[in-house]
Amino acid sequence: DAKTTQPPSMDCAEGRAANLPCNHSTISGNEYVYWYRQIHSQGPQYIIHGLKNNETNEMASLIITEDRKSSTLILPHATLRDTAVYYCIVRVAQNSGGSNYKLTFGKGTLLTVNP
Amino acid sequence: DAGVTQSPTHLIKTRGQQVTLRCSPKSGHDTVSWYQQALGQGPQFIFQYYEEEERQRGNFPDRFSGHQFPNYSSELNVNALLLGDSALYLCASSPFISRQGFLGKNIQYFGAGTRLSVL
Repeated sequence: DAKTTQPPSMDCAEGRAANLPCNHSTISGNEYVYWYRQIHSQGPQYIIHGLKNNETNEMASLIITEDRKSSTLILPHATLRDTAVYYCIVRVAQNSGGSNYKLTFGKGTLLTVNP
Repeated sequence: DAGVTQSPTHLIKTRGQQVTLRCSPKSGHDTVSWYQQALGQGPQFIFQYYEEEERQRGNFPDRFSGHQFPNYSSELNVNALLLGDSALYLCASSPFISRQGFLGKNIQYFGAGTRLSVL
């Protein structure tokens, strides 16, 4: 799996957009970008994923650059409950046997949303 | 619909003891993965079970073993506990990839974890 680089921490004001960057310059053509977050004392929670097109769901938007070497997770209106560690993970979707690939976590970005 | 459930939530053991952690996957999921998360670190993959067999394994010693039951629930066993085994142990479940439809929707759902302290 490609290695990802994220800033260790970021701050955001409540109600403003939070933009979390991730570099994955060695990403391969068959690797997807996944984002998870982990609120203190809870298990990681899936947010969104994408291959090369921008994606949006009820939680966030994912912007992937055209060369796919970096991406940005956008929380459009951050709330205090969005304070968490955000993990950017790059991996292939499945192996030849069809089994579910492991997730390789880094240290992530601690996003602190301030009132 | 219950999500992934793990038990117990907290556990205290002493060095050299053995421990068993349990996980019930989300309804409709048949694949279970286990992760270890040390304080201040991201989760590290231990192994994955499907059809009651270990399918993938991370860089963990043989002291870490597992089992999956016919109802898809799973256990993680750690023998000869070391102080360094103190961590949050996370279970994640997912449908086997071929049941997930289009390529890429390869989402794992995590439980809240078991906090293991080894004294």
